[in-house]
Amino acid sequence: LAKTTQPISMDSYEGQEVNITCSHNNIATNDYITWYQQFPSQGPRFIIQGYKTKVTNEVASLFIPADRKSSTLSLPRVSLSDTAVYYCLVGVYGNKLVFGAGTILRVKS
Amino acid sequence: GAGVSQSPSNKVTEKGKDVELRCDPISGHTALYWYRQRLGQGLEFLIYFQGNSAPDKSGLPSDRFSAERTGESVSTLTIQRTQQEDSAVYLCASRRQGSGWTEAFFGQGTRLTVV
Repeated sequence: LAKTTQPISMDSYEGQEVNITCSHNNIATNDYITWYQQFPSQGPRFIIQGYKTKVTNEVASLFIPADRKSSTLSLPRVSLSDTAVYYCLVGVYGNKLVFGAGTILRVKS
Repeated sequence: GAGVSQSPSNKVTEKGKDVELRCDPISGHTALYWYRQRLGQGLEFLIYFQGNSAPDKSGLPSDRFSAERTGESVSTLTIQRTQQEDSAVYLCASRRQGSGWTEAFFGQGTRLTVV
């Protein structure tokens, strides 16, 4: 399974756009890229998933360059409630899900 | 139930005792995962069940850890002779296997404290 590297933490202010980049240099051809969000004392929650180019849903956007060796989660206009840990996962559908250390996002007022 | 259910939500046990943690996945989800999360750390993969296939046990940290799953329903994670380093939140997730990608749904976890 491809190993992922993310920043340990990021700080932002309410109303700003936040971009969290994940590196996955040895991603395989059939690997998907998935992002999860975890609040304190809760299990992770799925945010967005993609394979290539750009994916957008009501919560976030995911940008994946042509070489797929990295991906960027974009959170528009964050609020205090977006303070959480964000995990990038890379793997084949149906296989075990391997989480990295994640990125702690702190949103300040 | 509507989501993944784990019990108990909290468990305090004495060092050396055995504990059993239970996970009820979402109905129809053939894939089930167990993870361990120590305080302030990421999720550590423990074991993965997929239908009737042999489970992937590659993440179990020692032979004190074992897990079973009854068909495509309930799973039990057992930790024998608990140690203080076993203190953590144990998370269960389930996933529907189908023709395409599906997301994993997590339970709230069981917080285990070994004293």
